[in-house]
Amino acid sequence: GAGVSQSPSNKVTEKGKDVELRCDPISGHTALYWYRQSLGQGLEFLIYFQGNSAPDKSGLPSDRFSAERTGGSVSTLTIQRTQQEDSAVYLCASSLVGQGRLPLYEQYFGPGTRLTVT
Amino acid sequence: AQKITQTQPGMFVQEKEAVTLDCTYDTSDQSYGLFWYKQPSSGEMIFLIYQGSYDEQNATEGRYSLNFQKARKSANLVISASQLGDSAMYFCAMKEEYGNKLVFGAGTILRVKS
Repeated sequence: GAGVSQSPSNKVTEKGKDVELRCDPISGHTALYWYRQSLGQGLEFLIYFQGNSAPDKSGLPSDRFSAERTGGSVSTLTIQRTQQEDSAVYLCASSLVGQGRLPLYEQYFGPGTRLTVT
Repeated sequence: AQKITQTQPGMFVQEKEAVTLDCTYDTSDQSYGLFWYKQPSSGEMIFLIYQGSYDEQNATEGRYSLNFQKARKSANLVISASQLGDSAMYFCAMKEEYGNKLVFGAGTILRVKS
């Protein structure tokens, strides 16, 4: 079946411009996550969506970052007034969600969007 | 706070030999899950193996096994019979049962030599 898809795969933008990154999760996965991976680093959590619950935005690095998820499916991550330190690979993941007990479900990752801010 | 530590920035292993990638974690929760992901040079994140904190048996998936030592808070990945295609970055990650995110370690680059 189809995995997590992200678009665009690459984005080059000028400092100060706004960008939108899109994620299409696996059908039936109610949980959606955004992570950021800077060059040679591990992944940094940004935001989490689960069903109709309020998103967990605790990982967003500044108020220039926002995200929405429409209809419980597609998500868009928006970065306003981009800065050079925003350059990174932005990864989206989705998963099933259990009923509050272990085992936990693995997260399936998309191919990422490589953002370069010049 | 959750924390994952991978102390080996890089590892080399001879083809067909076994290799252990270290991972220690810190959490105050009793219920959590530990994950290992592989990231080849192409960039995709590939799920390898999962261990729940209450699982009594070490997890195994094909050539991958997880050496889980709960008291020591370690969850080392063992790859048996290494193959050239195993060359990649490997990340250890943890999710608390009621948490909303995976916390990742810094990763270990594995290079398999022929």
